[in-house]
Amino acid sequence: NAGVMQNPRHLVRRRGQEARLRCSPMKGHSHVYWYRQLPEEGLKFMVYLQKENIIDESGMPKERFSAEFPKEGPSILRIQQVVRGDSAAYFCASSPVGQGSGELFFGEGSRLTVL
Amino acid sequence: QKEVEQDPGPLSVPEGAIVSLNCTYSNSAFQYFMWYRQYSRKGPELLMYTYSSGNKEDGRFTAQVDKSSKYISLFIRDSQPSDSATYLCAMSEKTSYDKVIFGPGTSLSVIP
Repeated sequence: NAGVMQNPRHLVRRRGQEARLRCSPMKGHSHVYWYRQLPEEGLKFMVYLQKENIIDESGMPKERFSAEFPKEGPSILRIQQVVRGDSAAYFCASSPVGQGSGELFFGEGSRLTVL
Repeated sequence: QKEVEQDPGPLSVPEGAIVSLNCTYSNSAFQYFMWYRQYSRKGPELLMYTYSSGNKEDGRFTAQVDKSSKYISLFIRDSQPSDSATYLCAMSEKTSYDKVIFGPGTSLSVIP
C-alpha cells in the first residue's frame, strides 16, 4: 500500500490520558502535515514536519500537543492529558519534497473520542 | 472575518443537475487554489488544482478562480450519485511547502 497510513483509526481515551497518533507518509514523501477536523468545521492546519525537524507549528495548541517525525519510523502526534474538546478527526497528509503547490495526499484519519 | 468562507449546505440536487460550489477568501497572497472531495469517514482527496486566476476543466468538473474578487467556484456537470460527498475548497500561498488552508466544506447529495 503506497498511500498515507494512519493508525489507530479509532481511539477512545478518558480525560487526563494520553493519545498517540501515528502517520507513515507516502513512499518517497518526506514532508508531513497534521490537520484537525471538528464537526461543522474545515480542516485546521496544526503542524508541518520534515524528518527530525518541525518547520511550522503555528496551528498547534501551545500546551499538551506535540509532534515529531524521527529519522526512522512514523510521524507521531501526541496529546497529553486529553480533554473532551480534543475529540476530533486528526488527519495526516504528505507531499513530495519542495512541491509548494498545495497538493496534499491524506490518510484516512484517526478519530479520537475523549470520554 | 474567516480566512476562507464556504456555504456549508447541505446541498441536495437530482441526478444530472449542474452543481455550483463557491468559496470566498480574504488573503490576497493565496496563489494556489484547490478543491478536495471528502467522502464520509474518509480522508480528503484532491479533485482540482489551479494556479492563479482562470478556468480549468477536467471531465465533468470545472474550476474557476477570480482573484480580483477573491472568489473561486467548482462546477459539476451531469452530477451523479457517486458525487455525493463534502467538497472542501482550499488554497495556499506560493511558498516552499504546502500549508494549505481549507474552507469548512459543502455537503452535497445527488439524488438518483
